[in-house]
Amino acid sequence: DADVTQTPRNRITKTGKRIMLECSQTKGHDRMYWYRQDPGLGLRLIYYSFDVKDINKGEISDGYSVSRQAQAKFSLSLESAIPNQTALYFCATSTRTYTNTGELFFGEGSRLTVL
Amino acid sequence: AQSVAQPEDQVNVAEGNPLTVKCTYSVSGNPYLFWYVQYPNRGLQFLLKYITGDNLVKGSYGFEAEFNKSQTSFHLKKPSALVSDSALYFCAVSPPSGNTPLVFGKGTRLSVIA
Repeated sequence: DADVTQTPRNRITKTGKRIMLECSQTKGHDRMYWYRQDPGLGLRLIYYSFDVKDINKGEISDGYSVSRQAQAKFSLSLESAIPNQTALYFCATSTRTYTNTGELFFGEGSRLTVL
Repeated sequence: AQSVAQPEDQVNVAEGNPLTVKCTYSVSGNPYLFWYVQYPNRGLQFLLKYITGDNLVKGSYGFEAEFNKSQTSFHLKKPSALVSDSALYFCAVSPPSGNTPLVFGKGTRLSVIA
C-alpha cells in the first residue's frame, strides 16, 4: 500500500459543485501539504499544516479550504468549483528531525476537471 | 523569500550522452536543495538532496548534482542518459530553518532520444 494515499484519483465535476479531495498517510509525518500542478507553472502550494492544530495558507489559497482531521489526514475542499481549478492536485508529507531534513513524500495525485 | 529558477523548459539529449538539467536558487542563508522526478501519471519522487558537506551529491538512478554556492546553482547531472530517464524534473529549495515549505521550480522536461 502507498504511504501517501489520495482519493479520488480522477474526478470530473461541474461548475459550482463542492468537491473534497482526501489525503491519508501512514508515514507518521507531522507535516502535510496540498500542491497544485499546472503545465508550465510547476507546483504551487495551496495550504500546509505542520501539525494537527496548525493550518497555513500557501501561494494560491483563494477558492480552497482545508481540514486536518488527524495527524494522518488532510483534506482539501473546493466550495464552489470553477473551470480554472482544473488541475492535478498533490498531497505531500514531511517531517523535520535531526536526521530527516524535510524532503517531501508525494501521493500519486488527484486529477480534477471542472466543466 | 526563497525562489527557484529552472531556465530550460525542455532538454533533449541522445541516449548514452551526458545530461545536465539546470537550477538556480535564491534563499537567505545556507539552502537545503532537492531534486525530484515525475514520470507520466505519477507523483513526484525524491532523487537527491544537498544539506551540507561535499558539493557533489549522489542520488537515485545514477543521478548526481553539484552545489555551487558562488553561482547559487544546483545542476542535476548524469554521465550517460537512458531513454527511461525521460521525465519531468523539479528543483526545490528551503531555508535550513525548516519553518517554510519547499518552493519548487517550474520543472524541466527531459527527453532522451534513442
